[in-house]
Amino acid sequence: DADVTQTPRNRITKTGKRIMLECSQTKGHDRMYWYRQDPGLGLRLIYYSFDVKDINKGEISDGYSVSRQAQAKFSLSLESAIPNQTALYFCATSTFRNEQFFGPGTRLTVL
Amino acid sequence: AQSVTQPDIHITVSEGASLELRCNYSYGATPYLFWYVQSPGQGLQLLLKYFSGDTLVQGIKGFEAEFKRSQSSFNLRKPSVHWSDAAEYFCAVGSSTGANNLFFGTGTRLTVIP
Repeated sequence: DADVTQTPRNRITKTGKRIMLECSQTKGHDRMYWYRQDPGLGLRLIYYSFDVKDINKGEISDGYSVSRQAQAKFSLSLESAIPNQTALYFCATSTFRNEQFFGPGTRLTVL
Repeated sequence: AQSVTQPDIHITVSEGASLELRCNYSYGATPYLFWYVQSPGQGLQLLLKYFSGDTLVQGIKGFEAEFKRSQSSFNLRKPSVHWSDAAEYFCAVGSSTGANNLFFGTGTRLTVIP
């Protein structure tokens, strides 16, 4: 089984809808991250969490929220999706040295 | 401010040729450095990492990278490229104290021609 899993893998939704992307990990890491990837822009950090009670905004957190339900689970929500949130979303976990392990990604399309 | 620059957006090489992908970073402290590879439709896979010690590090799939502190560089190399190496490559920098997150470059897309 994969160490970092994401659900769903693909999602098409409409403008204004609420959507949740889920991430689970079996690596036992405390640190978890959500990134979005857009062509030519690399990976940009949305939110990160260094333990269950710790949530921090990344560089592009507007329009997103997160929930850290347990050490192994970290969810990303779009409260009211808009077309420019169409992107590839990655969850990751890391060691204390920031060696990051990525999930397979969720391709989100907002119409 | 922390930043990572990958000056080459797209590189094309012939199969069997050598490869060097450039990465320059700006970081206020001793960095941890990483190279990741992303095949089409896939997540990112760690190729190699530098924490300390020997500045030439070996990774998976025959890749290596050299940390040059004086040039703030961490270039990725492979002596002979295989068609399966076609992918996008990302350089990333993080704090040696573990306090901060990784900062990624914008990536270099590698095309391999037969």
